[in-house]
Amino acid sequence: SQKIEQNSEALNIQEGKTATLTCNYTNYSPAYLQWYRQDPGRGPVFLLLIRENEKEKRKERLKVTFDTTLKQSLFHITASQPADSATYLCALAPSGGGADGLTFGKGTHLIIQP
Amino acid sequence: DAGVIQSPRHEVTEMGQEVTLRCKPISGHDYLFWYRQTMMRGLELLIYFNNNVPIDDSGMPEDRFSAKMPNASFSTLKIQPSEPRDSAVYFCASTRGGLADGYTFGSGTRLTVV
Repeated sequence: SQKIEQNSEALNIQEGKTATLTCNYTNYSPAYLQWYRQDPGRGPVFLLLIRENEKEKRKERLKVTFDTTLKQSLFHITASQPADSATYLCALAPSGGGADGLTFGKGTHLIIQP
Repeated sequence: DAGVIQSPRHEVTEMGQEVTLRCKPISGHDYLFWYRQTMMRGLELLIYFNNNVPIDDSGMPEDRFSAKMPNASFSTLKIQPSEPRDSAVYFCASTRGGLADGYTFGSGTRLTVV
């Protein structure tokens, strides 16, 4: 069966360091992968999208990599700040085109300590 | 734009009662999605619409759930009769067609069935 795995344990990082979150998937051939941020009591907020033929994408302090051979995406936050503390969700879209509904991982809770 | 607007923010109802959740997508977005989020299962896609037409309702858990989109600016998710296991946060999201765009989520409706 299709599965998306994110580290369920909270990730504690010291302020100023780089935070790296992992998203692994099985039995998918995704057309693209997205990362979202979710704060308590709020809906997820879109951060970045990376396509299957892209290796890396950057946006300000954020960097996403996508390895379709390893079936893995890494999400990096450089120069982390306490305000980056939140739950980060990865989401996959099936291949074949169209805007089929995204399937989300359960997310990793990131805590940036001052 | 005010973003995706959901109402109510909180709903507490007794088992067996009918519940109606409402969503106004962003103007110009032609895809609308309903998700349910619980600690155990994370974000689950229930149903999505394209140009007001239901495309995939395979995520709707039972016949007790129904969704409509009578026009481009309004959608409802109805549960009748409600059960305690329906307690969750229900999110509505919208996006434009195509693969390049992330979803914009509403703030969600926290449903508690007692």
